[in-house]
Amino acid sequence: SAVISQKPSRDICQRGTSLTIQCQVDSQVTMMFWYRQQPGQSLTLIATANQGSEATYESGFVIDKFPISRPNLTFSTLTVSNMSPEDSSIYLCSVGENAYGYTFGSGTRLTVV
Amino acid sequence: GNSVTQMEGPVTLSEEAFLTINCTYTATGYPSLFWYVQYPGEGLQLLLKATKADDKGSNKGFEATYRKETTSFHLEKGSVQVSDSAVYFCALSDGDKIIFGKGTRLHILP
Repeated sequence: SAVISQKPSRDICQRGTSLTIQCQVDSQVTMMFWYRQQPGQSLTLIATANQGSEATYESGFVIDKFPISRPNLTFSTLTVSNMSPEDSSIYLCSVGENAYGYTFGSGTRLTVV
Repeated sequence: GNSVTQMEGPVTLSEEAFLTINCTYTATGYPSLFWYVQYPGEGLQLLLKATKADDKGSNKGFEATYRKETTSFHLEKGSVQVSDSAVYFCALSDGDKIIFGKGTRLHILP
């Protein structure tokens, strides 16, 4: 299955600032996703990152707050903009592979102070 | 829309006990079903999966059978170990994206 490198692994940020999270995959994949896992909670899909076009956002998530780039089939970024303490979560990148299901990066643990 | 419901935790068992974590789903069509595990401080790992009715997924002593008639995919293990302490997520995919249950925290006592 694909190997995903996600960075940073953790960060502490000031409120009002932005953080960009990178996701690098070791093979070309069609389906790439971004999830949020709030403390003690399950995973919630933020958006599907589409190569060469705008991301598809789930209900409750907007592009202005979570802009996503996907310049090619092996790389994507998620930016958390104008952060507040409520954005403190783990953010995970995931890829879908028909043979292996879905593989997840190790996550970015974000704390907003 | 599609959804996954799994039993609330935490679940606390003694080592070598039998484990069942219930999971039911609602979906149109024929989704693929998954169990993922998240060990403390780590990312999400695929534990097992099943892609069609009556398929049994198995890994590390864990098993789950895709039951279309009861729309269930319960996770079982015959003899749990302390190292199985983790959060377990049931999930389904319709091919477009994957949807997770709320997770069940499992504590195994030595």
